[in-house]
Amino acid sequence: DTEVTQTPKHLVMGMTNKKSLKCEQHMGHRAMYWYKQKAKKPPELMFVYSYEKLSINESVPSRFSPECPNSSLLNLHLHALQPEDSALYLCASSQEGTGWSQHFGDGTRLSIL
Amino acid sequence: QKEVEQNSGPLSVPEGAIASLNCTYSDRGSQSFFWYRQYSGKSPELIMSIYSNGDKEDGRFTAQLNKASQYVSLLIRDSQPSDSATYLCAVNSPGGSQGNLIFGKGTKLSVKP
Repeated sequence: DTEVTQTPKHLVMGMTNKKSLKCEQHMGHRAMYWYKQKAKKPPELMFVYSYEKLSINESVPSRFSPECPNSSLLNLHLHALQPEDSALYLCASSQEGTGWSQHFGDGTRLSIL
Repeated sequence: QKEVEQNSGPLSVPEGAIASLNCTYSDRGSQSFFWYRQYSGKSPELIMSIYSNGDKEDGRFTAQLNKASQYVSLLIRDSQPSDSATYLCAVNSPGGSQGNLIFGKGTKLSVKP
């Protein structure tokens, strides 16, 4: 069991749908991350929230919209996605004092029809 | 361009042998180094972190860091078939209040019974 919880585990959506991915951690970590991972590739950083403020946006298309409602929650809102957006979406959290070591959730497997 | 380089493998070792995984990084300012294990279809799992030169042992795993050579390695003793996975080297590069993990492309390890 991981201490970073992501929901849903699987999501299939059409290109016109709007959906959200959710991530929750109760470790008191103050940095939270969204990654995208395609098969046989390393995780690719999308967004970083540090102390609930967006600190890094790696030039991600606007069809992906992050939100950090509080220090424990992280959302990724999806709209008008493309088939190439199909991937494993990973949430991670980290804390100062541990070298900012990141702990990952189980991920959401997203398929765009 | 900050880079983390790993041999993609596959690295094949017999059960009971020592598996040696290597990683080099380009940013001399890097301060935190991590090894993640990722089983096929699963999320990365943090297995080792190392912050200072030398060796760090945890069970069958030993991480080695040489900052002068910009080199970090992972040794797995008494390799088991359950160790078969992709191993991702990650380096926390200074930048922002929480740093930023740079991942290598991963080395696929296969342990043969």
